[in-house]
Amino acid sequence: GENVEQHPSTLSVQEGDSAVIKCTYSDSASNYFPWYKQELGKRPQLIIDIRSNVGEKKDQRIAVTLNKTAKHFSLHITETQPEDSAVYFCAAKGSGGSNYKLTFGKGTLLTVNP
Amino acid sequence: EAGVTQSPTHLIKTRGQQATLRCSPISGHTSVYWYQQALGLGLQFLLWYDEGEERNRGNFPPRFSGRQFPNYSSELNVNALELEDSALYLCASSTGQYSNQPQHFGDGTRLSIL
Repeated sequence: GENVEQHPSTLSVQEGDSAVIKCTYSDSASNYFPWYKQELGKRPQLIIDIRSNVGEKKDQRIAVTLNKTAKHFSLHITETQPEDSAVYFCAAKGSGGSNYKLTFGKGTLLTVNP
Repeated sequence: EAGVTQSPTHLIKTRGQQATLRCSPISGHTSVYWYQQALGLGLQFLLWYDEGEERNRGNFPPRFSGRQFPNYSSELNVNALELEDSALYLCASSTGQYSNQPQHFGDGTRLSIL
């Protein structure tokens, strides 16, 4: 089945710096890659997603890039703010049979220091 | 528009008991997904229901089961509770059975096994 690896597990940056979180996936047939932000005690919230026919997508300070050949995708947050502090999860959705589900990475705890 | 709602918020049980968790999807969503979020283990896929049918199942024992009702709400049942079942159980919903549409999460049910 699909396996998603996420790095780093923790990331600390200064306010205003950029943060990058990287994920790799194993199923070359995966075609949908969402990112979720989960603040302490709250539900995971979708912040951006990308489909396999697109290489990059941007939404204000957040961007995601996808390299299908290398089977990895990354989340980029620019001009970080303290309210960006949370756990971020990447996920990949396989296609067909038992792979047709979202497989999540183990999460990255991002801390933005003021 | 109301989001995904889950009940109860907290549930305390003892070993060997049975637990029932409930989820109401966003209006218009036909797919419901269940995830287990144990401490430090990210989100583990449990079950996927669509149009009243179980479509996929994660690597969990048969004592984890559920169903989806005609109004698309769903129930997760956990029998013969074990200490390691203590976790946050998240429900998500999306439109479409096989489309790559975003999953939106509820606030979860915190299940504690004493």
